[in-house]
Amino acid sequence: SQQGEEDPQALSIQEGENATMNCSYKTSINNLQWYRQNSGRGLVHLILIRSNEREKHSGRLRVTLDTSKKSSSLLITASRAADTASYFCATGPDNYGQNFVFGPGTRLSVLP
Amino acid sequence: KAGVTQTPRYLIKTRGQQVTLSCSPISGHRSVSWYQQTPGQGLQFLFEYFSETQRNKGNFPGRFSGRQFSNSRSEMNVSTLELGDSALYLCASRSTEGAYGNSPLHFGNGTRLTVT
Repeated sequence: SQQGEEDPQALSIQEGENATMNCSYKTSINNLQWYRQNSGRGLVHLILIRSNEREKHSGRLRVTLDTSKKSSSLLITASRAADTASYFCATGPDNYGQNFVFGPGTRLSVLP
Repeated sequence: KAGVTQTPRYLIKTRGQQVTLSCSPISGHRSVSWYQQTPGQGLQFLFEYFSETQRNKGNFPGRFSGRQFSNSRSEMNVSTLELGDSALYLCASRSTEGAYGNSPLHFGNGTRLTVT
């Protein structure tokens, strides 16, 4: 079953605006990661936040994690047309019997 | 370092045939995972290999199999292809240094398989 669930499924904004995507998960995690996928390509890792962290920044990206609510959010500030892609959250395993589980993704369209 | 390389990029097969996909991980990465991506099911985990051993397996039928070689390169095989096997197959490698699960996945650009 899916561990991460992104919300919204699709988001359309104008260049320069901020984009916020949310992710919810069901079980305890070791970390949560966000990935970007351009159409027909592989996923690219954006940022990893550990379960004992609450917020992390990387350039125009800001990720928050609330383990009590089992949720995370990804904020992209001052979006650009090049940010148009699908964004996935993935929960990282905490033992050798588990694997990364990806949510269905949020399709972001940034209009020029 | 060179990224994860998957070959071929595109494949067209007919029902009943079998197919083998190849993945070369980033140098030094010993963990290789495979994922199936479809519009309806999203990213589904197939299996993970580490040091030539299958460490984890997703919920796919036995027609899906894989292996890993001593140089960490991996192949996956799908036998008796069905129309529903049409998908983007993604391979990902990662470092296994440090705490388990705390290193990101590095993906190839995938193999687009079309079954007719």
